[in-house]
Amino acid sequence: GAVVSQHPSRVICKSGTSVKIECRSLDFQATTMFWYRQFPKKSLMLMATSNEGSKATYEQGVEKDKFLINHASLTLSTLTVTSAHPEDSSFYICSARDSGTSSNSPLHFGNGTRLTVT
Amino acid sequence: DQQVKQNSPSLSVQEGRISILNCDYTNSMFDYFLWYKKYPAEGPTFLISISSIKDKNEDGRFTVFLNKSAKHLSLHIVPSQPGDSAVYFCAARRNSGYALNFGKGTSLLVTP
Repeated sequence: GAVVSQHPSRVICKSGTSVKIECRSLDFQATTMFWYRQFPKKSLMLMATSNEGSKATYEQGVEKDKFLINHASLTLSTLTVTSAHPEDSSFYICSARDSGTSSNSPLHFGNGTRLTVT
Repeated sequence: DQQVKQNSPSLSVQEGRISILNCDYTNSMFDYFLWYKKYPAEGPTFLISISSIKDKNEDGRFTVFLNKSAKHLSLHIVPSQPGDSAVYFCAARRNSGYALNFGKGTSLLVTP
């Protein structure tokens, strides 16, 4: 089946530093990837839609300068949390859809990244 | 604005019995609904889906029912097994794109 690899799975960083999270589709191409964030006991909140070769589309309330998204190839999207603060601590999950399948095919998710900002 | 709602945060069922997880939505633009299963510290795993043109979809022990007039869907697991213990997320897709809106999840515990 389709596999989405997300790295790192866990990262601890100091306030003010930046952290990059990678999301790779291992055996399929994904023109579109999605970045979600999950707060404790909350649902997965869509942050942005990452489009290969173009600018990401951010959801309302998500700072694009804070959460930089780059989708430079059909198999890789990155999310960079810039100048991280403790309130950015969260579980970040990426997802991708196989571009070669129908629009009703499900999204495949990575295993998430637990970010802790101290 | 929570457009997909799972009002039961947890559910406990005995092994062999039926588990019924419920989900309500508010956006009539949703045209495709999915259920995902999630273990701690892992990403969601796709379980089963249903298009808005159908009212039932079955896959082995899992059946999803959709009631469009009530904007309600449910996931039935029968018979329930201890390995089914996980958090189940209901998700819906807007027909204008492929992004999914998720509910808050229901934690299912299947006891032996």
